[in-house]
This record gives sequence, C-alpha cells and structure tokens, in this order.
Amino acid sequence: KQEVTQIPAALSVPEGENLVLNCSFTDSAIYNLQWFRQDPGKGLTSLLLIQSSQREQTSGRLNASLDKSSGRSTLYIAASQPGDSATYLCAVGNYGQNFVFGPGTRLSVLP
Amino acid sequence: DADVTQTPRNRITKTGKRIMLECSQTKGHDRMYWYRQDPGLGLRLIYYSFDVKDINKGEISDGYSVSRQAQAKFSLSLESAIPNQTALYFCATSDSKSQGSYEQYFGPGTRLTVT
Repeated sequence: KQEVTQIPAALSVPEGENLVLNCSFTDSAIYNLQWFRQDPGKGLTSLLLIQSSQREQTSGRLNASLDKSSGRSTLYIAASQPGDSATYLCAVGNYGQNFVFGPGTRLSVLP
Repeated sequence: DADVTQTPRNRITKTGKRIMLECSQTKGHDRMYWYRQDPGLGLRLIYYSFDVKDINKGEISDGYSVSRQAQAKFSLSLESAIPNQTALYFCATSDSKSQGSYEQYFGPGTRLTVT
C-alpha cells in the first residue's frame, strides 16, 4: 500500500528566503506526482504535475523534482513572499489507478 | 464559471439523516473522485469513477455510496450520517485522454457537520 509523507509538517520563514518542501513515497511504481496549494478552508489549487518519465517541472518561482528510485519529490520555492503562506500537499498517482495524498506542509512566510 | 462545482458548500445535519453531496463538472473529463479531508490526516479517497458505468471503492468507502448520473455529474451519499463523518469533502476530476498526465482538478469543497 502506497504511503506518502511530507517533511516538515510546518515551516516558518522570513520573506525572501528560498525554501524546500519534501515529499516521500514508499512505492516507486507511480505514473505521476502532483503538488497542490491549499489556503485555509479552501479547495486545492494545482501547482505542478510531474509525469513518471520526467525529472522536474518549473512554473515561475516554483520548481518540483522527482526521483522515483528513491521515492522522493521536492518543491523548491524561490524568493518566498507572504502570499505563499498556505498548506502544500503532494499527491502520488499509482498504477492501482488511485491517488494517495501526503498530510501536507503548512508554510508561513513572515513579512 | 468554475469548472468543478459542488453543492451544497456547507451543510449541518443530524445523526441518522440521509444526505447527498453533488458534484458537477464542465471540463469534459471522464474520471471523477470523491475525497474527504480531516485535520492532520490529509485527503483520503472515498470512491472514484472512470466512466458512467465504472464505480470503484477507495480507501474509506464504508458508510458512503455514490452515483454517476452522467459523465458530468457524480454524487456522494451518506445513508445514515454519523458524527465522525464530519469533514471537508472534495470532488475532483481528471482526463484519461490527457496523454498520461491524469492531472486532477478539484472543486471548492463541501463542509459537512454531523451533530
């Protein structure tokens, strides 16, 4: 059974810092990995999706990498801003045809 | 208009009542999903459907049922609500014709409270 963990559970940084969020999964037989952002009490906004054949994806200040063999993905946020404060979730798409989510990392960027 | 909509957005109900949560999408996607989110537990899959005639149980289907009335509509029912079904419920869609990406798109969520 696929298990997904995210470290750290919470992170507080001053504005302008670069930061890395981590996602680990136990079964490397995946077909994609998707990073989401969730604001309190709100829905999920897709940030980046990496297919299993890809190593990384970039969108603006965000860069996500995928290492299937080690069961890891990282989300890199450059030059963080207070508006980046949210919970970040990773979800792994499995060949069992379902998605498994991590518990999330709660990010606070202080002005 | 939003691509994935959920109704109602908030609902308070009593133990033992039957309740239905509805999801509609205009994205033309064939795959639809229902998740629940509890604090500290992340999102867990309840049911998923790959087309109108294909319904599958997810990780936590006990106490729930679903109906795929059309490609664009997927409803979740709680036949007899209990307090531990209090949670935030999300509907999501993906497209099997998306060249293998299967990117998920989420609705805004329904906050359900069972008293």
